[in-house]
Amino acid sequence: AQKITQTQPGMFVQEKEAVTLDCTYDTSDPSYGLFWYKQPSSGEMIFLIYQGSYDQQNATEGRYSLNFQKARKSANLVISASQLGDSAMYFCALAPDSSYKLIFGSGTRLLVRP
Amino acid sequence: SQTIHQWPATLVQPVGSPLSLECTVEGTSNPNLYWYRQAAGRGLQLLFYSVGIGQISSEVPQNLSASRPQDRQFILSSKKLLLSDSGFYLCAWSNQGNSPLHFGNGTRLTVT
Repeated sequence: AQKITQTQPGMFVQEKEAVTLDCTYDTSDPSYGLFWYKQPSSGEMIFLIYQGSYDQQNATEGRYSLNFQKARKSANLVISASQLGDSAMYFCALAPDSSYKLIFGSGTRLLVRP
Repeated sequence: SQTIHQWPATLVQPVGSPLSLECTVEGTSNPNLYWYRQAAGRGLQLLFYSVGIGQISSEVPQNLSASRPQDRQFILSSKKLLLSDSGFYLCAWSNQGNSPLHFGNGTRLTVT
């Protein structure tokens, strides 16, 4: 069975510091994708970053990077130099290759303190 | 560029009334289309997805249904709403294969 887990319901970080949001997954598919989305209070879901299971290097996108540890089945999101606008819910999602579905975790609420 | 439109943004409906939420995508052809629901403070639950016209897969048995009458149109419906249908409904599209979902702005439905 495919499953995605975010164990941190809420996180605080000081502005300009880095923060890591945890995500672990479980799938028996040899090929899969991992995604991170940001949901501000307005509700829209914003795609941040993608990591393929066969990608050799960790994905990076501006201030976002993904710490992908395949053996441990973890795909943590690292946000560097946090900004006040980073305060939002963050969702990790798994896309098994055998399915069209995207399975979401329960989310982590990040609050950036000035 | 591709855009996704979802309406209405908010909706208040009485229990037992019908529902129709519409979603359209522009700038792409033969997209995968999805309906998700998000309860307050929770993650996203996949309700339906479609890989082509008239092809609908249901993930959760309930009183909701979905239809795809055109390639880039996806409709979520109910004949009789329940209180438990309240939530935030998000439409999304993706290209074929392992590609990100792109979401609409969502519809906040309150069933009273």
